Amino acid sequence: AQTVTQSQPEMSVQEAETVTLSCTYDTSESDYYLFWYKQPPSRQMILVIRQEAYKQQNATENRFSVNFQKAAKSFSLKISDSQLGDAAMYFCASEQDNDMRFGAGTRLTVKP
Amino acid sequence: GAVVSQHPSWVICKSGTSVKIECRSLDFQATTMFWYRQFPKQSLMLMATSNEGSKATYEQGVEKDKFLINHASLTLSTLTVTSAHPEDSSFYICSASSLADGGNEQFFGPGTRLTVL
Repeated sequence: AQTVTQSQPEMSVQEAETVTLSCTYDTSESDYYLFWYKQPPSRQMILVIRQEAYKQQNATENRFSVNFQKAAKSFSLKISDSQLGDAAMYFCASEQDNDMRFGAGTRLTVKP
Repeated sequence: GAVVSQHPSWVICKSGTSVKIECRSLDFQATTMFWYRQFPKQSLMLMATSNEGSKATYEQGVEKDKFLINHASLTLSTLTVTSAHPEDSSFYICSASSLADGGNEQFFGPGTRLTVL
């Protein structure tokens, strides 16, 4: 079974600053995928970034990047130049064999 | 592309009645569809996984006779909450994936808020 742990229930960042959200996971598989999803108040799940476990290079999507440490089973999300619209719940997820599991989530507040 | 819709977006029903929620993949064929439940301020919990034309696979602790899932076509899955009770009130989210896309990314619907009185 796979598990995903997000140890930060809440985080806060000043607008234009950088924030890092933590995530660790546990899986017995060698082939898996990792995701960060954003869930705004509308509750629509929005894919932020994804990482294939077999790729060593950290994924990057504009202001969003990850620090993927495979040996440590760590997958943190860095948001640069934070914007007010980044405020949301962020869920880390692990997927293997078409089975996706989510962490408990981190609520990000962006202060103007 | 990769749009998933859900209907209705919210529903209120009386205790003891049944409610059907539809999940549709609008622009792709969904080999697999997933149903999640999310209680307030909690994470998404997988309820069941369904492949087109096959019986759904339910997670431990999810009553298959209470939460009926049908995946009759590659674009439609339905979740029926039978004999609903107030404790079934929750936010239900479906997602869909396609083998043509590698199968590992799930595209999420906007969710359905169910309130049972």
